[in-house]
Amino acid sequence: KAGVTQTPRYLIKTRGQQVTLSCSPISGHRSVSWYQQTPGQGLQFLFEYFSETQRNKGNFPGRFSGRQFSNSRSEMNVSTLELGDSALYLCASSFRGFRWATDTQYFGPGTRLTVL
Amino acid sequence: DQQVKQNSPSLSVQEGRISILNCDYTNSMFDYFLWYKKYPAEGPTFLISISSIKDKNEDGRFTVFLNKSAKHLSLHIVPSQPGDSAVYFCAASAESGNTPLVFGKGTRLSVIA
Repeated sequence: KAGVTQTPRYLIKTRGQQVTLSCSPISGHRSVSWYQQTPGQGLQFLFEYFSETQRNKGNFPGRFSGRQFSNSRSEMNVSTLELGDSALYLCASSFRGFRWATDTQYFGPGTRLTVL
Repeated sequence: DQQVKQNSPSLSVQEGRISILNCDYTNSMFDYFLWYKKYPAEGPTFLISISSIKDKNEDGRFTVFLNKSAKHLSLHIVPSQPGDSAVYFCAASAESGNTPLVFGKGTRLSVIA
């Protein structure tokens, strides 16, 4: 079955702009999580959505937001971009999500965002 | 405050030898641990996991060992192959707490032919 897809794969923006990233989970998966990966910090959890509701949120400013649609596809938005937002943004899907730690998360290839 | 630590940013091993990747954690609530492997331009892929009720889990060439008293786990790859060259992330979760996975910063493994 098809894996997790993310679009676009690469994005270049300038400071102050906003950006929207998209994630399509594996068919049947209802949980979508977003992570930010930077060289210095590794993978950091942004938020998790399950059945269109945000269930968990990481320690990121309010400029980072997301949503999930009825077909489980998810979008992440970053407003007022800063240089430090340059990172690889990964989304992961799973069937049930964090409430069951053994529910394996499957990652997409990521969106590489560069803020100039 | 880093709850999951991978203190070695990189590791080089010869093909055919054993690779040992280490991970330490500080949160005693963590009871489920995973290793992910990441190639460039790809997302992390699940490799192997272990529950805190076990101290060892094996899957082919990959074995994860868990030492709860030391809050330490390690991933052994035997024998190492050039295709194993990737970044390996250790992750931890608390089964009962509805908490997201907490990842280490990763260790880049290079297997030299």
